[in-house]
Amino acid sequence: QKEVEQNSGPLSVPEGAIASLNCTYSDRVSQSFFWYRQYSGKSPELIMSIYSNGDKEDGRFTAQLNKASQYVSLLIRDSQPSDSATYLCAVAGSARQLTFGSGTQLTVLP
Amino acid sequence: DADVTQTPRNRITKTGKRIMLECSQTKGHDRMYWYRQDPGLGLRLIYYSFDVKDINKGEISDGYSVSRQAQAKFSLSLESAIPNQTALYFCATSVPVEETQYFGPGTRLLVL
Repeated sequence: QKEVEQNSGPLSVPEGAIASLNCTYSDRVSQSFFWYRQYSGKSPELIMSIYSNGDKEDGRFTAQLNKASQYVSLLIRDSQPSDSATYLCAVAGSARQLTFGSGTQLTVLP
Repeated sequence: DADVTQTPRNRITKTGKRIMLECSQTKGHDRMYWYRQDPGLGLRLIYYSFDVKDINKGEISDGYSVSRQAQAKFSLSLESAIPNQTALYFCATSVPVEETQYFGPGTRLLVL
């Protein structure tokens, strides 16, 4: 069983809609959770980190964490075509390394 | 200037050749990492180093070796390249506790 699971997509949403990206993880002692955005052929860039249960908002992005359910999500409000990218969920587990999901490809349609 | 740099950015080599990928950083971070990325498989950890004297194998270290020459430099070597090592390679850095990782621009490697 993969340690960090994401729906591979592709996920398509119309411009202005909310995009919802989901991630589950298997290591119960994980403490730190990250969302990276990666444009095709480019390096991953951090867009959100979350450490505590609940919601964390940064501009159009909201990360949600539920440690009991081992679930972390990313909501993108007012989606723009420039948000079209692959979104990687990453979890820092007991070994203090990041484990990445395989990514969800998001396309925002104009 | 970029905080994390990788050289070369693109490389084509032949099966059996030795190749070195280099990573340098000006962020002052102690921790450095090497990942490879293949389509549909996400990022997989090859090696990581928490300081100059501490080097550890990651998930997929077979066929690779590393050298941490200084706090700012971490090199990845393929002793005898094979075609299934064709991939996009990323170097990353981080600080303890925060665990956020910052990535270099990547090296695209093709092994013929």
